[in-house]
Amino acid sequence: GQNIDQPTEMTATEGAIVQINCTYQTSGFNGLFWYQQHAGEAPTFLSYNVLDGLEEKGRFSSFLSRSKGYSYLLLKELQMKDSASYLCAVRRGFKTIFGAGTRLFVKA
Amino acid sequence: EAGVAQSPRYKIIEKRQSVAFWCNPISGHATLYWYQQILGQGPKLLIQFQNNGVVDDSQLPKDRFSAERLKGVDSTLKIQPAKLEDSAVYLCASSFEGGSQETQYFGPGTRLLVL
Repeated sequence: GQNIDQPTEMTATEGAIVQINCTYQTSGFNGLFWYQQHAGEAPTFLSYNVLDGLEEKGRFSSFLSRSKGYSYLLLKELQMKDSASYLCAVRRGFKTIFGAGTRLFVKA
Repeated sequence: EAGVAQSPRYKIIEKRQSVAFWCNPISGHATLYWYQQILGQGPKLLIQFQNNGVVDDSQLPKDRFSAERLKGVDSTLKIQPAKLEDSAVYLCASSFEGGSQETQYFGPGTRLLVL
């Protein structure tokens, strides 16, 4: 997706912590979103970062480094229901460009 | 608050046939997006409307795809004629004004299978 890179798949254990990385080209950067998409469903908003640093929201946190073109989504206390695809989306001007997504499998 | 509505939810057609999808955004949302999501990939923007004007349609295959939002509310996306590679989920999303930090709210999608 236009130079937005995420791992294709990850597997983690229930109760654990997992970090999903996203790297992107920095030109025209205007913000970064993380969306969750369960199989067969529409994406739903998780987080938005436009300044460097960590944004925490319950079990989910998102980090951004604009100079490095790097973000991560941190999921704590994993639950089975967290098994889904996680989409990194970069805002360039008025366009939002999605990465291919990372499929997370949470096992018992 | 009602979410983004789309219909139909599923559609199966043969190649070279025509198909149309409908979207009703969240009330008061000026910006409407149509995305194509092929299995295993992220959503790809096809067209973005601000009210009834087109903001971006650079990735819309205009030889076969068309979209309109005549009254600045509902929108339709049409494919004519369909090809096998058009098999995908077509997602409609809306946001309040299309600002850079605005969340997009997605509809349930229309799953299209072209045989």
